[in-house]
Amino acid sequence: KAGVTQTPRYLIKTRGQQVTLSCSPISGHRSVSWYQQTPGQGLQFLFEYFSETQRNKGNFPGRFSGRQFSNSRSEMNVSTLELGDSALYLCASTQPGDTFYNEQFFGPGTRLTVL
Amino acid sequence: DAKTTQPTSMDCAEGRAANLPCNHSTISGNEYVYWYRQIHSQGPQYIIHGLKNNETNEMASLIITEDRKSSTLILPHATLRDTAVYYCIVGYHDMRFGAGTRLTVKP
Repeated sequence: KAGVTQTPRYLIKTRGQQVTLSCSPISGHRSVSWYQQTPGQGLQFLFEYFSETQRNKGNFPGRFSGRQFSNSRSEMNVSTLELGDSALYLCASTQPGDTFYNEQFFGPGTRLTVL
Repeated sequence: DAKTTQPTSMDCAEGRAANLPCNHSTISGNEYVYWYRQIHSQGPQYIIHGLKNNETNEMASLIITEDRKSSTLILPHATLRDTAVYYCIVGYHDMRFGAGTRLTVKP
């Protein structure tokens, strides 16, 4: 079974631009979560999507948005990029069951550099 | 904000057991405790999870106190490849990672 894939793996943008990152979950997984990881702030939860609906959202400004498609693939978008948005963006998928058990499978991440 | 508190760093001798503590005093009744680890800049890797009972798998053991306010991850025979940042997380849909514990296994 293929793992979580993220594209692109590396990205360089300049301040003010926008960027779209893509995540393909493990086949059959319906929940996708996004995280931002920086040296200073660590791993921070951005948002989680399930069945094309945003179910939870972290404490990030509205410049960060996402969506999920009917095939469970997800994209996140960052508009008006700032230098502080430089980070490793990680996507994780899970197959929610009937209980609260929730093992997440992480992708390799997209490293975004904002110049 | 993360719902857990972990030591910033720990050292362990190769071949010895590594015991990583975690405090989660505000855990609610239906929240699981999960442990992940992250090596270098790879995506975090699932290790183990538990609700109330102690758990063991091929990688580690998880000991949860009776009041569920703290837990300990045990790597029974640490190797150099176990050097990583270990995250203790509680939650369900919005899993909040803290800073984790940087475990260094030394020869």
